[in-house]
Amino acid sequence: DVKVTQSSRYLVKRTGEKVFLECVQDMDHENMFWYRQDPGLGLRLIYFSYDVKMKEKGDIPEGYSVSREKKERFSLILESASTNQTSMYLCASSSAGNNYEQYFGPGTRLTVT
Amino acid sequence: QQQVKQSPQSLIVQKGGISIINCAYENTAFDYFPWYQQFPGKGPALLIAIRPDVSEKKEGRFTISFNKSAKQFSLHIMDSQPGDSATYFCAASDTGGFKTIFGAGTRLFVKA
Repeated sequence: DVKVTQSSRYLVKRTGEKVFLECVQDMDHENMFWYRQDPGLGLRLIYFSYDVKMKEKGDIPEGYSVSREKKERFSLILESASTNQTSMYLCASSSAGNNYEQYFGPGTRLTVT
Repeated sequence: QQQVKQSPQSLIVQKGGISIINCAYENTAFDYFPWYQQFPGKGPALLIAIRPDVSEKKEGRFTISFNKSAKQFSLHIMDSQPGDSATYFCAASDTGGFKTIFGAGTRLFVKA
């Protein structure tokens, strides 16, 4: 089974802090994604990566950056957390052989106070 | 601007009934239309998906109906069970599958 793990289930940070969310997948997938999930808005793509060190902006990249130094790991960085970044963050991965099917992690619920 | 509109927001169905969730999209470049199922505390998981060259796809109790001219697609859950109670998201992916737009989600509750 594909497994996508996220470093924390719950995280509470203060406004202005730098926040790192980590994601690891164990299926040797080429593609990795970061989404945020908000009630009434569904999932929105923040960034994705199709290879090590490669990254592309999604629909809502403002206030976020990403890092992919190893194939299995994709990090989401909030340079200076703000209260409007309080959300559920979901990581996903997919293989180059089937880009369409994404496997999701359990999510990290981030609260910025 | 939401490019995939999903309705209803919530749905209550009796056990054994049919659950129907509808979605509409705007971008004709989308070429893959998945439905994801999410249980509380879990990430979404792919349930069933369809390509625009097919009008219907069935997997067990789950069926996608697709109307390309109307730019609409729907999920039908036959013989709904309490275990189907979850949030369902429709989605649409561009060519290549890197950018997927999700609907707002439908919270389904199946009464025993």
